Amino acid sequence: EVVLTQSPDFQSVTPKEKVTITCRASQSIGSTLHWYQQKPGQSPKLLIKYASQSISGVPSRFSGSGSGTDFTLTIDSLEAEDAAAYYCHQSSSLPLTFGQGTKVEIK
Amino acid sequence: EVQMVESGGGLVQPGGSLRLSCAASGFTLSNYAMSWVRQAPGEGLEWVSGISGSGTGTYFADSVKGRFTLSRDNSKNTLYLQMNSLRAEDTAVYYCAKGLGVYSYGIDYWGQGTLVTVSS
Repeated sequence: EVVLTQSPDFQSVTPKEKVTITCRASQSIGSTLHWYQQKPGQSPKLLIKYASQSISGVPSRFSGSGSGTDFTLTIDSLEAEDAAAYYCHQSSSLPLTFGQGTKVEIK
Repeated sequence: EVQMVESGGGLVQPGGSLRLSCAASGFTLSNYAMSWVRQAPGEGLEWVSGISGSGTGTYFADSVKGRFTLSRDNSKNTLYLQMNSLRAEDTAVYYCAKGLGVYSYGIDYWGQGTLVTVSS
């Protein structure tokens, strides 16, 4: 099983600040890593697929990078509406796994 | 527009059974891998089960293997999760999730979820 470890678990950020969330895989997964945003009471929403591919309708301030075992989600110029939990997810092998989540709070 | 609507959740006693349904629209189930993912209250996301678009294989997390079964009715474009021998630790919101391709289990769309509560 591929274990995904996100850091940090929690981040309190000022609007317009840059946010970086990392996800480390326990073994190489190529680029089969995806990022989601989940707001309270809502389903997760896909932000980035295959490590760095953008998704139609997702603001351009969200970007992803990495391959192999180390991945990063970056939010340039955080906005108030970005307060949420963020999860990474690998689809390289079954069982599918998710990171433990990173909660982003707006100061 | 891609949409999945889950139903069938509710309160059940330990040892009981439930069948969840996921009615899909805006795409054809048999063209995509599909999964069920659950989220216990206040917790993270846990993959439960998946099926390839071809339907040739169904897969389960160790935590539910032998208790849950997955099936699909192509004529109704609906996915089902039969849950037997339910335990308190199965309490969660269960999401139906669409894969990125016929054999790609990476998830691009999620349903709204259905709550399963296992309690006496």
